[in-house]
Amino acid sequence: KAGVTQTPRYLIKTRGQQVTLSCSPISGHRSVSWYQQTPGQGLQFLFEYFSETQRNKGNFPGRFSGRQFSNSRSEMNVSTLELGDSALYLCASSRGQGYGYTFGSGTRLTVV
Amino acid sequence: AQTVTQSQPEMSVQEAETVTLSCTYDTSENNYYLFWYKQPPSRQMILVIRQEAYKQQNATENRFSVNFQKAAKSFSLKISDSQLGDTAMYFCARMRGTSYGKLTFGQGTILTVHP
Repeated sequence: KAGVTQTPRYLIKTRGQQVTLSCSPISGHRSVSWYQQTPGQGLQFLFEYFSETQRNKGNFPGRFSGRQFSNSRSEMNVSTLELGDSALYLCASSRGQGYGYTFGSGTRLTVV
Repeated sequence: AQTVTQSQPEMSVQEAETVTLSCTYDTSENNYYLFWYKQPPSRQMILVIRQEAYKQQNATENRFSVNFQKAAKSFSLKISDSQLGDTAMYFCARMRGTSYGKLTFGQGTILTVHP
């Protein structure tokens, strides 16, 4: 069974640009969550999607947005990139609340 | 803010020995789930063990077991027969039953297993 796939693995962007990250969940998993991981702030929840609907959102500015497609694949978009957006972005999927989330390997975003 | 606290930034253990990682959490709900995740240098987060708060029995997965003390809001992870491959950052996490998809993580404990 394929795991959670995130693309790309690495990205370097310039301040002010926008970026789109992609996540393909495990087959059959309809819930997809996104996290930002930094050395200073640790792991922080961005948002969760289920059946194309955002059900939960963390405390991030509106520059961070996401969406989910009918096949459960999800994308995350960050507009007007800032240096502080440099982080490891992790996607995770689950078949239901409480089962635990399976994480992808992440996308390392560097903003210069 | 409801938090998860891991009071041990770093731990070390000799191969084949037992080590316990501590975690306390804060919640006002009765319906929640607790997890331990492992993140090796490869950065892949791996689910180690999970516990449903309404179950009194402590969860066990092979060499990994938890000591869940609900009244004390404590959720420690015991690793028996430690192996070199257990070297990683370990995160304790809580998910409220009403908060879809949101894991609240602790700060992590770096565990090093020495040969």
